[in-house]
Amino acid sequence: DAMVIQNPRYQVTQFGKPVTLSCSQTLNHNVMYWYQQKSSQAPKLLFHYYDKDFNNEADTPDNFQSRRPNTSFCFLDIRSPGLGDAAMYLCATSTGQGSEQYFGPGTRLTVT
Amino acid sequence: GNSVTQMEGPVTLSEEAFLTINCTYTATGYPSLFWYVQYPGEGLQLLLKATKADDKGSNKGFEATYRKETTSFHLEKGSVQVSDSAVYFCALSDAPSYGKLTFGQGTILTVHP
Repeated sequence: DAMVIQNPRYQVTQFGKPVTLSCSQTLNHNVMYWYQQKSSQAPKLLFHYYDKDFNNEADTPDNFQSRRPNTSFCFLDIRSPGLGDAAMYLCATSTGQGSEQYFGPGTRLTVT
Repeated sequence: GNSVTQMEGPVTLSEEAFLTINCTYTATGYPSLFWYVQYPGEGLQLLLKATKADDKGSNKGFEATYRKETTSFHLEKGSVQVSDSAVYFCALSDAPSYGKLTFGQGTILTVHP
């Protein structure tokens, strides 16, 4: 009864080679988030969708894009990964309104 | 702006010891408060939450009380186990439109047998 699913769990890409990470949810939540987390630091919010409305954090690099084709799925596209983009990428969902977020298991991205 | 401050880590305890991880916050409104736990190589799991002053959140032997007067939400457990070894994040949310979380820096807990 997985609620937030991320695929793949581990992704290796080459420097500069575009990569897409995927997230799906069975909770029917309005809001989906993408976070970047490095080395047990706090997760850093990249952007979120409230339904189809996209909201980018001010300091998210242009190299990161996102798509949400329907309620259940959300994708993170990294157009030209650099070595500094190696991290754990976490997807989360919520109903908004200050409620808790439900996190997926994450995708560990390695850039070679 | 909003902020969350957690006690400096890492924290190392023996099994069955008492645990406290301090968390204080700054927020403009009336936030909801959360503790999340992250086991190695996994995503974050909600451990407990409190949505208004004097609420006590509890789960798996962990407790935290929302103290508005001291703007605190300290995490406690009476007797830790080796399986509690993880990173613990305190967080708040007071953005009504989309529930953006503001995290503390995280506290690494290691419990030895």
